[in-house]
Amino acid sequence: GESVGLHLPTLSVQEGDNSIINCAYSNSASDYFIWYKQESGKGPQFIIDIRSNMDKRQGQRVTVLLNKTVKHLSLQIAATQPGDSAVYFCAENQGYNFNKFYFGSGTKLNVKP
Amino acid sequence: SQTIHQWPATLVQPVGSPLSLECTVEGTSNPNLYWYRQAAGRGLQLLFYSVGIGQISSEVPQNLSASRPQDRQFILSSKKLLLSDSGFYLCAWIGGTSGGRETQYFGPGTRLLVL
Repeated sequence: GESVGLHLPTLSVQEGDNSIINCAYSNSASDYFIWYKQESGKGPQFIIDIRSNMDKRQGQRVTVLLNKTVKHLSLQIAATQPGDSAVYFCAENQGYNFNKFYFGSGTKLNVKP
Repeated sequence: SQTIHQWPATLVQPVGSPLSLECTVEGTSNPNLYWYRQAAGRGLQLLFYSVGIGQISSEVPQNLSASRPQDRQFILSSKKLLLSDSGFYLCAWIGGTSGGRETQYFGPGTRLLVL
């Protein structure tokens, strides 16, 4: 099966610092990736996505970087705030099987005030 | 705009009892619909998905079943719950193209505790 994993299960950062959450994927055919944020007791919330024809995509305070050579993507959160505390998941999808998304186990981000 | 609903939000059921969880989507037509289960502190496990009314694909053999009686309604059922069925159940749909690809969005989830 597909494998999307995260390097760090828990990340603690100081409020105001930048956060970087990493994700590795195993299927070189994956061409679409999503980052989700999941707060306790809630459903995952779409944050940002990127297609494989891009290396970088920016949103509001978030940036996703994709390195297809080493099959790695990261989520950067600028000026991390207490409200950013949550579990973050990456998901991958392949164009030939667009009905299915594969998810990593998640990284918990703790923001210390 | 599109909205996805799940109910109930929380459910406590005894072992051996039946289950019915409902998911509905508003603001779209003919969406792909999904049921996932999430164990505490774990990732998402795809259980079922549906590309249309009456069309169900099962990903994991188990004592759960799914049905899609209407275009925007997806139901997760069980005849007899097991302790291992406890978890957080998430409904999702695919739509809302982003950069040419359809993105998956999730509902608020149902927390099921089987005792």
